[in-house]
Amino acid sequence: SQKIEQNSEALNIQEGKTATLTCNYTNYSPAYLQWYRQDPGRGPVFLLLIRENEKEKRKERLKVTFDTTLKQSLFHITASQPADSATYLCALAIDGYSSASKIIFGSGTRLSIRP
Amino acid sequence: GAVVSQHPSRVICKSGTSVKIECRSLDFQATTMFWYRQFPKQSLMLMATSNEGSKATYEQGVEKDKFLINHASLTLSTLTVTSAHPEDSSFYICSARDLTTSTDTQYFGPGTRLTVL
Repeated sequence: SQKIEQNSEALNIQEGKTATLTCNYTNYSPAYLQWYRQDPGRGPVFLLLIRENEKEKRKERLKVTFDTTLKQSLFHITASQPADSATYLCALAIDGYSSASKIIFGSGTRLSIRP
Repeated sequence: GAVVSQHPSRVICKSGTSVKIECRSLDFQATTMFWYRQFPKQSLMLMATSNEGSKATYEQGVEKDKFLINHASLTLSTLTVTSAHPEDSSFYICSARDLTTSTDTQYFGPGTRLTVL
């Protein structure tokens, strides 16, 4: 069966440390992979996209890696802050790059940054 | 950046009634929109793909007669939950992709909290 798994339901780390979240998938060949942030009661907010032929993508304190052999993506937040506390969702684009390609979400990791 | 809005943000209804949720792309045209539902502490589950001018494509296990989707224009898709029951209570979220950008970014609406009494 096709699955998208995020390593832990919840992750608690100290402010200033690097948070690393993991996304593993099976039986998909995604055109690209995305990470989103979701706050309680709100819709997801797009953070980063990485394509199948890219190994790493950065944006400010965020870094994403994509290993299509391992079928894994790692999402890093460096110098974490309490404001980074949220649920982070991994999402795969399946069915290619067309406008109708579906975005399928992982279960999410609830990240808490303690002061 | 592109914005997707939803209306209403919150709705409470009696069992057996129908509820319509609107999803609008505010500054771009979307030939395709997507509808998701999310139960507490769970991830988003894709319900259907809404196609402008044609029938929606539903995911396995989603009743098309229960969740009616209409994509009447390039900026508006509606989801109607017909004869709602308490088990339909959920957070419904729509999304759309702005094809004028090169980032394949999918924008999500703020969600609609449906509570069926």
